[in-house]
Amino acid sequence: AQKVTQAQTEISVVEKEDVTLDCVYETRDTTYYLFWYKQPPSGELVFLIRRNSFDEQNEISGRYSWNFQKSTSSFNFTITASQVVDSAVYFCALSEADNYGQNFVFGPGTRLSVLP
Amino acid sequence: DTEVTQTPKHLVMGMTNKKSLKCEQHMGHRAMYWYKQKAKKPPELMFVYSYEKLSINESVPSRFSPECPNSSLLNLHLHALQPEDSALYLCASSQEVQETQYFGPGTRLLVL
Repeated sequence: AQKVTQAQTEISVVEKEDVTLDCVYETRDTTYYLFWYKQPPSGELVFLIRRNSFDEQNEISGRYSWNFQKSTSSFNFTITASQVVDSAVYFCALSEADNYGQNFVFGPGTRLSVLP
Repeated sequence: DTEVTQTPKHLVMGMTNKKSLKCEQHMGHRAMYWYKQKAKKPPELMFVYSYEKLSINESVPSRFSPECPNSSLLNLHLHALQPEDSALYLCASSQEVQETQYFGPGTRLLVL
């Protein structure tokens, strides 16, 4: 069965610090998809990024960057120069291609607090 | 436009009430989902509809009854709920199953 682990339950940083959120996954499939979502206090899950298992290129989008390493089954997320608006719960998620959507599994989430 | 809308935003109901949650998307997505999220927990998948047909039912109690009237709408009918069913109910849609899911703002349900 697939599994997503986010070892950091809560992280607090001071504004302008860099912070990395860890995500480790388990799957037997060779084709799968990894996601990051942000959930601010309002409750809506906001899509941040999707990667497929064949694309290990790291990605940067503004202050956000993602490091995908199949060798360690990790898909870590870094926020550079954090801001108070980054405060939210961040979920890593995994979807296996062969299970027709039934195995879209979220990790437990990491609550990030960015203090002014 | 990646908007999924949900109504109502908040709902308080007694254990004998019947109510419905509604979800709508106009992105032409063919897959729609219901999730349940308890406080400080990740969302848990309840139902998946693909091309308006129920494809996944994750052992959800029968007091929750999904309905997909058309490709843009998804309902969740609630009847005889228990206090432990109080949670945030999230709807999502994707182009196809396995594609990126886009979530609505959720309905916060309180069962008294």
